[in-house]
Amino acid sequence: AQSVTQLGSHVSVSEGALVLLRCNYSSSVPPYLFWYVQYPNQGLQLLLKYTSAATLVKGINGFEAEFKKSETSFHLTKPSAHMSDAAEYFCAVSDYGGATNKLIFGTGTLLAVQP
Amino acid sequence: EPEVTQTPSHQVTQMGQEVILRCVPISNHLYFYWYRQILGQKVEFLVSFYNNEISEKSEIFDDQFSVERPDGSNFTLKIRSTKLEDSAMYFCASSEAEGTVGNEQYFGPGTRLTVT
Repeated sequence: AQSVTQLGSHVSVSEGALVLLRCNYSSSVPPYLFWYVQYPNQGLQLLLKYTSAATLVKGINGFEAEFKKSETSFHLTKPSAHMSDAAEYFCAVSDYGGATNKLIFGTGTLLAVQP
Repeated sequence: EPEVTQTPSHQVTQMGQEVILRCVPISNHLYFYWYRQILGQKVEFLVSFYNNEISEKSEIFDDQFSVERPDGSNFTLKIRSTKLEDSAMYFCASSEAEGTVGNEQYFGPGTRLTVT
């Protein structure tokens, strides 16, 4: 069965600093991986997804993630944090062992951006 | 841009009461999902629905839960007799016709259910 682990439930960075949110996956088959973001009082919005086409995936709002099979990781990065990036970020893997491609989520990382 | 909507945003109910959480998926989507997140825990899959029937359900989705697409636009989650442990944020999601692996699921803003 597939699973994801997010290291760090809270991450705080200064505005302009590098953002690094960690996600490790466990999967017996080639995984399909996602990063979602949730802004306060809003739904989960897809930032980017990895579906085996390219290991470096670029998403919205300047975020990107690199799939590293050797490290079973799919960390999310952004070179320079903005105040508007403050939100909760969820890593997820598509579990296609069942009848539908349900998502298996990590516990989330709350990103705070300090001025 | 089309979006998934959910009502109410917050529902408070007493233990043992029935609640219905409502969702309006994106209009041309055919696959629908409910997930929940208990405070401080992971977002968990509850159930998927396609062609007017449940495609898959998790262990959480016991006989107290049911889903329905009553009128071609709404997608509802009913909890027959709520328990304290049902307190959580409930997310509805939908995806495009094929529902293929890696296909994006669009999420609503969630309904926060508080059972007292």
